[in-house]
Amino acid sequence: GAGVSQTPSNKVTEKGKYVELRCDPISGHTALYWYRQSLGQGPEFLIYFQGTGAADDSGLPNDRFFAVRPEGSVSTLKIQRTERGDSAVYLCASSLIGSSGPYNEQFFGPGTRLTVL
Amino acid sequence: KQEVTQIPAALSVPEGENLVLNCSFTDSAIYNLQWFRQDPGKGLTSLLLIQSSQREQTSGRLNASLDKSSGRSTLYIAASQPGDSATYLCAVGPRNQGGKLIFGQGTELSVKP
Repeated sequence: GAGVSQTPSNKVTEKGKYVELRCDPISGHTALYWYRQSLGQGPEFLIYFQGTGAADDSGLPNDRFFAVRPEGSVSTLKIQRTERGDSAVYLCASSLIGSSGPYNEQFFGPGTRLTVL
Repeated sequence: KQEVTQIPAALSVPEGENLVLNCSFTDSAIYNLQWFRQDPGKGLTSLLLIQSSQREQTSGRLNASLDKSSGRSTLYIAASQPGDSATYLCAVGPRNQGGKLIFGQGTELSVKP
């Protein structure tokens, strides 16, 4: 596809359940980022992948959150034992990595709106 | 710790006005700064990317400037149109932090016909 895609667009779950959110980056983009956006706020960084490895996971709020990118393309954000406070829009972005590093323009997907009841 | 602030939080202008959105950041050790537009219920659309070595970037009616030493960026929108109504987000890429972006809270712009 031409842009970053995310599925599902909406996810409603019950407290304590497990959820997976998927991100398909732009083809050829080695860098992939996950952010979380609460209502009325700017996005907050969660985790950054360079290829298959998580280069920076300092934004993950706790060990209930985990993300993978096994083949260096599609990424899945996994949330265990969901809590009401996890309700937010989860955004994925991708970018190229140049000779100077991953400091190129980031392109965002439409997001997944997660609601935990 | 890098903090990004956008003022005002909301702005309403009549169609045709030129306007300026402000963004300030606390740590000048940045690699780049990016401006985004976000429509209600949608993802972010990249508008302009300014590398730390640049002073400004232009795209159509948009012009973004960067003054790294004072920790400020502005987004200038010329001849505003109702279709410009959206939330505008500023984000900085801290140096040596792997390309992640630190966002401001956004300015919600409404352009009245």
